[in-house]
Amino acid sequence: QKEVEQDPGPLSVPEGAIVSLNCTYSNSAFQYFMWYRQYSRKGPELLMYTYSSGNKEDGRFTAQVDKSSKYISLFIRDSQPSDSATYLCASQRAGNNDMRFGAGTRLTVKP
Amino acid sequence: DAGVIQSPRHEVTEMGQEVTLRCKPISGHNSLFWYRQTMMRGLELLIYFNNNVPIDDSGMPEDRFSAKMPNASFSTLKIQPSEPRDSAVYFCASSLDERRGSGNTEAFFGQGTRLTVV
Repeated sequence: QKEVEQDPGPLSVPEGAIVSLNCTYSNSAFQYFMWYRQYSRKGPELLMYTYSSGNKEDGRFTAQVDKSSKYISLFIRDSQPSDSATYLCASQRAGNNDMRFGAGTRLTVKP
Repeated sequence: DAGVIQSPRHEVTEMGQEVTLRCKPISGHNSLFWYRQTMMRGLELLIYFNNNVPIDDSGMPEDRFSAKMPNASFSTLKIQPSEPRDSAVYFCASSLDERRGSGNTEAFFGQGTRLTVV
């Protein structure tokens, strides 16, 4: 079993829709939770990160972590075609530098 | 800074040949990671270095894989002999680990090397 599980999709939504992306993790020691965005034939880029449980908002993006259920979510409001990419969740232990990634969800936002 | 630089961008080789992938991390970063990405398994951590020292190589699939970091500005991932199942995109990433016991450290990824073993 992978430490971070993510439904690979693909997920296709119309422009303007609210997108919900989710992951679960198994390691209780994880304290940092990240979302990376990866465009086709590019390396992943950090989109957002949160520490422990709670919400974090950045423009149209909201990241949520529920440590009690080991559940990580990313919400995209008013989705745009430029949001079309693969979104990878990742988790990291405090004081430890390596990250464990989910499989990535491929998102397409249709105009 | 140009970011993390990987070479080559594409590599096609025959089964049994040796393959060497190269990475130049961002100047000043002290942690370097090698990941492998496939459709089936997603992004997998192979090995990571801190201050040029290998910290965790538990993700290296077999003895055919080896990685070195002779100095802070260069790392290699070698596969010898290569097999078709090694075909994947290999990413190198670097970060600044301040070792204060707290705080997330963002990892910056290179463009990847797309390896095809035929």
